[in-house]
Amino acid sequence: SQQGEEDPQALSIQEGENATMNCSYKTSINNLQWYRQNSGRGLVHLILIRSNEREKHSGRLRVTLDTSKKSSSLLITASRAADTASYFCAPYYSGGGADGLTFGKGTHLIIQP
Amino acid sequence: DSGVTQTPKHLITATGQRVTLRCSPRSGDLSVYWYQQSLDQGLQFLIQYYNGEERAKGNILERFSAQQFPDLHSELNLSSLELGDSALYFCASSLAGGTETQYFGPGTRLLVL
Repeated sequence: SQQGEEDPQALSIQEGENATMNCSYKTSINNLQWYRQNSGRGLVHLILIRSNEREKHSGRLRVTLDTSKKSSSLLITASRAADTASYFCAPYYSGGGADGLTFGKGTHLIIQP
Repeated sequence: DSGVTQTPKHLITATGQRVTLRCSPRSGDLSVYWYQQSLDQGLQFLIQYYNGEERAKGNILERFSAQQFPDLHSELNLSSLELGDSALYFCASSLAGGTETQYFGPGTRLLVL
């Protein structure tokens, strides 16, 4: 199955700083999605980047995709306490036979006030 | 609010019992996905339904089954429950499948005692 691996596993920064987390995957993809999960709650979709896109922005979020390196990064600028959450990447490959997303263990981001 | 609803929010039951979790997808979405999130296994895809028919299976146990009804709501049935089935169960929906964003519900927290 197509699973992304997020790195680092945990990240603690000061409010106002930028946070960068990375995702690596193993096979070719159609798109890659990033999700956020606040403790014990449902996942919230953040951004979807297609395989023919290299960079995408959404508010304070910037996602890059490097298909040659099979990696993606999520940058959160000017972090806020409310950004404290776990972040998951989900690479999607249409030839995999299932449309269910496969998630890694996520990056747990803590924003210190 | 993703537009996906799940009931109940919490469920406490005993080993050997059977429970049913319910999910209503976003209006207009045809695909429903079920996921299980536990501390040791992480977030795993269980099964997908599209317009009433099973489309794909992930790591779903034989003791678990699901269905999608004509009004597109879905139910996940868990039987012969074991302690290890304690987890958060999420439902997600998408317009069709695959390349679209999946919208997650708030989850049902199941505790098997």
